[in-house]
Amino acid sequence: GQNIDQPTEMTATEGAIVQINCTYQTSGFNGLFWYQQHAGEAPTFLSYNVLDGLEEKGRFSSFLSRSKGYSYLLLKELQMKDSASYLCAVRSRWYKLSFGAGTTVTVRA
Amino acid sequence: DSGVTQTPKHLITATGQRVTLRCSPRSGDLSVYWYQQSLDQGLQFLIQYYNGEERAKGNILERFSAQQFPDLHSELNLSSLELGDSALYFCASSVARTGVNTEAFFGQGTRLTVV
Repeated sequence: GQNIDQPTEMTATEGAIVQINCTYQTSGFNGLFWYQQHAGEAPTFLSYNVLDGLEEKGRFSSFLSRSKGYSYLLLKELQMKDSASYLCAVRSRWYKLSFGAGTTVTVRA
Repeated sequence: DSGVTQTPKHLITATGQRVTLRCSPRSGDLSVYWYQQSLDQGLQFLIQYYNGEERAKGNILERFSAQQFPDLHSELNLSSLELGDSALYFCASSVARTGVNTEAFFGQGTRLTVV
């Protein structure tokens, strides 16, 4: 099965940078995803890594190291609307997609 | 709009009852996933179908079952409902094809309240 760990909560100030770490153990690794979820809403896709390295999409970047079973999501120039839960998800054999418990990010003015 | 449609949006039912949640995937997506999210909890993977066949199973209770039909829509059946089954149930779909960046797209969820 999958073991996906990420911090429960993080707090940061508007305009700052926050890095959310995710470690995982899985068999048949087939990609790592980051999703954003506001309370009571559906998760929305942020980024995808299948090869080692950094993927950048605007204010959001995601990094993957497959040998270390490690990823991070970097949120830059934080805005109040970025307050949400950030979910790390690992896709394994047969495209099974498992999620970590999520990291609640609170952005303060 | 993700293109994934879930019905109903809200459902209130009594303990012991049975309900069916429905999901229509995005056009062209062959894989459907079902997740349960209880209050302040993460997404718990229940089950996955690919082109009509069960592909992976998570911690799905025996009281729960699902299927994917030839037109690729899926239904999640929850029976002998208990108070603890109250949760948001999400369906997601993806293409699930080798070589394609196949992120999963989520429906808006069905909020089930068991009273």
